[in-house]
Amino acid sequence: SQQGEEDPQALSIQEGENATMNCSYKTSINNLQWYRQNSGRGLVHLILIRSNEREKHSGRLRVTLDTSKKSSSLLITASRAADTASYFCATDAGTDSWGKLQFGAGTQVVVTP
Amino acid sequence: KAGVTQTPRYLIKTRGQQVTLSCSPISGHRSVSWYQQTPGQGLQFLFEYFSETQRNKGNFPGRFSGRQFSNSRSEMNVSTLELGDSALYLCASTPGDRYNTGELFFGEGSRLTVL
Repeated sequence: SQQGEEDPQALSIQEGENATMNCSYKTSINNLQWYRQNSGRGLVHLILIRSNEREKHSGRLRVTLDTSKKSSSLLITASRAADTASYFCATDAGTDSWGKLQFGAGTQVVVTP
Repeated sequence: KAGVTQTPRYLIKTRGQQVTLSCSPISGHRSVSWYQQTPGQGLQFLFEYFSETQRNKGNFPGRFSGRQFSNSRSEMNVSTLELGDSALYLCASTPGDRYNTGELFFGEGSRLTVL
């Protein structure tokens, strides 16, 4: 079963625009992470936000976390064609997770020049 | 520092056969996790190994097994392959010294097709 649900499933924007995607989860978490996957390849870690943090920035990425609503959002500013990829949220839940993250279904982002 | 290496990258098998996939973690990383990715089920956790011991396991049948060697390299095996085992199998490594899971470093995956 998947812990996270992502919204929207797909997003098409033009270069220079911002892309926002949301993630909801079901149980208490230790942290929430976002990953990017280019078509059929491995996942690349983007950012991690801990349960006691509300907002985090990394370059053009901004992540928010609302534990009361069990939701997170990822904002990519000034998007580029190279940002075309699938984006996944993943939660580390419970004690002794030992390498187990629960991933959402992903948001497919297409950035057109 | 070299990344996570998975071999083979692509393979085709027929139903009933078995397959072994290999993963070499980042140097110094002692934890290796395996995930299955399919269009229908998404990314699902298979198991995690640390210092040659399985510490965590997902909800997969016993046909899916793994092991880890003393140099932290890991293998996973799927026996009696079924059509539904067609997937991208991803391996990830971390230092493994924390009880909760931080950033995972993924390999490029092994694409298995079962005919």
